[in-house]
Amino acid sequence: QEHLVESGGGVVRPGRSLTLSCAASGFTFGAYGMHWVRQAPGQGLEWVAVISYDESNKYYADSVKGRFTISRDNSKNTLNLQMNNLRAEDTGVYFCARETLVGARDFDSWGQGTLVTVSS
Amino acid sequence: QSAPTQPRSVSGSPGQSVTISCTGTSSDIGAYNYVSWYQQHPGKAPKLIIHDVSKRPSGVPDRFSGSKSGNTASLTISGLQADDEADYYCCSYAGTYTWVFGGGTKLTVL
Repeated sequence: QEHLVESGGGVVRPGRSLTLSCAASGFTFGAYGMHWVRQAPGQGLEWVAVISYDESNKYYADSVKGRFTISRDNSKNTLNLQMNNLRAEDTGVYFCARETLVGARDFDSWGQGTLVTVSS
Repeated sequence: QSAPTQPRSVSGSPGQSVTISCTGTSSDIGAYNYVSWYQQHPGKAPKLIIHDVSKRPSGVPDRFSGSKSGNTASLTISGLQADDEADYYCCSYAGTYTWVFGGGTKLTVL
């Protein structure tokens, strides 16, 4: 059974940095594209970033482009999100999610999320 | 990219059917047959219930069905049950490896 566990959330001041991690288990991590999706408090879901199975392709939402960097370590079954120059509007729960299969355009497995609060 | 539009809330009685719409643009929903729907209970992670417009993952009851016409996708839940009360989000592939989620719809089972 696939399992995703996010970590690294916390309270951070505007302009500072934070790195989130997602530990994967129960499936062949290196065979799947992976995403980050976030949810501001009381709000809807927002797609953030995607990384291909082999790290060759990375794409970002306009709202985070140039500030966030997605990466992965297939040897450690870990997905990361480096977040720089954080803003108040980056506050929310960050979920990692797995693409259903190579070439799929949906997400069949999600972690429980980690909360990031950007506040002075 | 702007988020596809969903009704803020819908409601229905047990056993009834409800339909949730998701209206996007010709650049997302209208351009691709890559619409998915997610169910999210409070404090929980989203769960995939429909992918590729109308396909159900294994384990999802056939009470859930999806469709699309033009720039609008729809999720229909028939035979409403108490546990269906949740937030529902549509999601569309928007090209160049980007995705857009709808604003979400709160379903209340009366």
